[in-house]
Amino acid sequence: GEDVEQSLFLSVREGDSSVINCTYTDSSSTYLYWYKQEPGAGLQLLTYIFSNMDMKQDQRLTVLLNKKDKHLSLRIADTQTGDSAIYFCAESIPGGGNKLTFGTGTQLKVEL
Amino acid sequence: ETGVTQSPTHLIKTRGQQVTLRCSSQSGHNTVSWYQQALGQGPQFIFQYYREEENGRGNFPPRFSGLQFPNYSSELNVNALELDDSALYLCASSRGTVGDTQYFGPGTRLTVL
Repeated sequence: GEDVEQSLFLSVREGDSSVINCTYTDSSSTYLYWYKQEPGAGLQLLTYIFSNMDMKQDQRLTVLLNKKDKHLSLRIADTQTGDSAIYFCAESIPGGGNKLTFGTGTQLKVEL
Repeated sequence: ETGVTQSPTHLIKTRGQQVTLRCSSQSGHNTVSWYQQALGQGPQFIFQYYREEENGRGNFPPRFSGLQFPNYSSELNVNALELDDSALYLCASSRGTVGDTQYFGPGTRLTVL
């Protein structure tokens, strides 16, 4: 079955690291994505990881994938106030079109 | 900026009416996917169009229909609007289908009264 879960809320201080977690259930996922959504806006692609990788680093972003536990995380180093937004993880499953299944989103609040 | 545009930005309709939302895909992309995002929720897949044909559909009733044109732009049509159709409608374009990254437009906010 398809189900992607995320914690609803995370609060961090500016300059700290943020870790946003996601669990998914479909082991046939090919790609896993992180998107950012600011209030009233569409989704901005942050990064993605192919299912045969364990880790991907892109500037301040580090994605870790534990395929055995079906666990994905996004670490944001040196979190800034501009990082305040809702973060969605999504999985892409082959078959039935390139459908993305999204989690409910984690609202990240960065405090001074 | 992803190069994906949507119109209109906002729309208010009443129950029972019909609505058409439009999406222009990013240059070089031949696939458009539509998602519905209710308030406080993650986006839900409605359907995808690849080279003018429907290429997958989510759990939405037949009153949600779509089209893709030869220039790969797309329309989402919703008939017999219900209050629960109030949502942000997002389209995403990609270069192809499986495994190709989807880039999202800014969305159309539909309110049904």
